[in-house]
Amino acid sequence: DTGVSQNPRHKITKRGQNVTFRCDPISEHNRLYWYRQTLGQGPEFLTYFQNEAQLEKSRLLSDRFSAERPKGSFSTLEIQRTEQGDSAMYLCASSSLSRSSYEQYFGPGTRLTVT
Amino acid sequence: QKEVEQNSGPLSVPEGAIASLNCTYSDRGSQSFFWYRQYSGKSPELIMFIYSNGDKEDGRFTAQLNKASQYVSLLIRDSQPSDSATYLCAVGRSDKLIFGTGTRLQVFP
Repeated sequence: DTGVSQNPRHKITKRGQNVTFRCDPISEHNRLYWYRQTLGQGPEFLTYFQNEAQLEKSRLLSDRFSAERPKGSFSTLEIQRTEQGDSAMYLCASSSLSRSSYEQYFGPGTRLTVT
Repeated sequence: QKEVEQNSGPLSVPEGAIASLNCTYSDRGSQSFFWYRQYSGKSPELIMFIYSNGDKEDGRFTAQLNKASQYVSLLIRDSQPSDSATYLCAVGRSDKLIFGTGTRLQVFP
């Protein structure tokens, strides 16, 4: 078992390139969250899914960001035309509605560096 | 005012002592409170959650909640050097977590 997994663990890209990250949640969890964390800050909510439905997207999230969870299992987060300000740790978390959607378990994260 | 506030630290305690980590929140309607531990370069790990006023104990950890004062704390008894990490307080709101900036704890031998 398995906890939440994320790939890749590290990504270095040049400004203007597109990147895509993948998250595989804990298998019985129907909620999946994306957060972003920069140095010295706590994780900041980006978006979340219940099964395949995207229920909320942060107002702070640029249109360059898009997320999908097509079959209600794994999710992808894509950033188009990356900027240096996108450099951060991107964290995925999952939770089960049968316990509490707030009891969220995080994956190892994908660290993005935009040069 | 930030929704969740924590002192950034570092909080330094000797091995074997009790470490006390504090957090305040601004939304009086909040119902769910969480403590995550984050080692440097790693992702947050859920260590405690509390929903009711009072104390909740789990091993060396005790979470305390006072909704009237909008205050949550985490006590770590018999602190060990392996407890050195950043501790993040989080509050549940509208199905997502709102995090503080974390308190860095250093336990020295």
